[in-house]
Amino acid sequence: EAGVAQSPRYKIIEKRQSVAFWCNPISGHATLYWYQQILGQGPKLLIQFQNNGVVDDSQLPKDRFSAERLKGVDSTLKIQPAKLEDSAVYLCASSLGLAGGETQYFGPGTRLLVL
Amino acid sequence: AQSVTQLGSHVSVSEGALVLLRCNYSSSVPPYLFWYVQYPNQGLQLLLKYTSAATLVKGINGFEAEFKKSETSFHLTKPSAHMSDAAEYFCAVTNTGNQFYFGTGTSLTVIP
Repeated sequence: EAGVAQSPRYKIIEKRQSVAFWCNPISGHATLYWYQQILGQGPKLLIQFQNNGVVDDSQLPKDRFSAERLKGVDSTLKIQPAKLEDSAVYLCASSLGLAGGETQYFGPGTRLLVL
Repeated sequence: AQSVTQLGSHVSVSEGALVLLRCNYSSSVPPYLFWYVQYPNQGLQLLLKYTSAATLVKGINGFEAEFKKSETSFHLTKPSAHMSDAAEYFCAVTNTGNQFYFGTGTSLTVIP
């Protein structure tokens, strides 16, 4: 079974530029998550989708971050404009559903450096 | 509100020694608890999870954890450390809705 795919793996941009990350979850997984992991910290949930609807985006900085999952499969996370403090690893995860205790399967992440 | 606290951001053990990584949780409802491992430049891999069945949970690579409600703890142990266990370990808590709240992580170093 293929795992969660993410691209690109690495991205370097200058502040105020825009950037987009792509995620393809495990086939059949209805729930998709985006996390931000700053160096030395645990992952922090940015947004959770169930199919193509948003379940939780309470920690997404909506003035600069946006995410979509239009067809309920793959997803894109965008940052516009980027700030220095956005330098982090962006992890995508998926699970079968959103029942409590469902295992989340993580992709390898996209490492973003904002200069 | 839910949260986890991982005591000790860095733990060093000798190869063959006991591994003990600590995790305490806070949850207003019965929690589901997870331990994940992260190797350099990789995503998180599930080690084990507690979902209200047996309180002693066995995971991959010889790891296990015990859910202790009275102590609000879910500590991770392994009887004998191996060099390949060197990694970052994260504890996470969730309940209905499956939003995970991760701890700050514990970096495990194994000394030959």
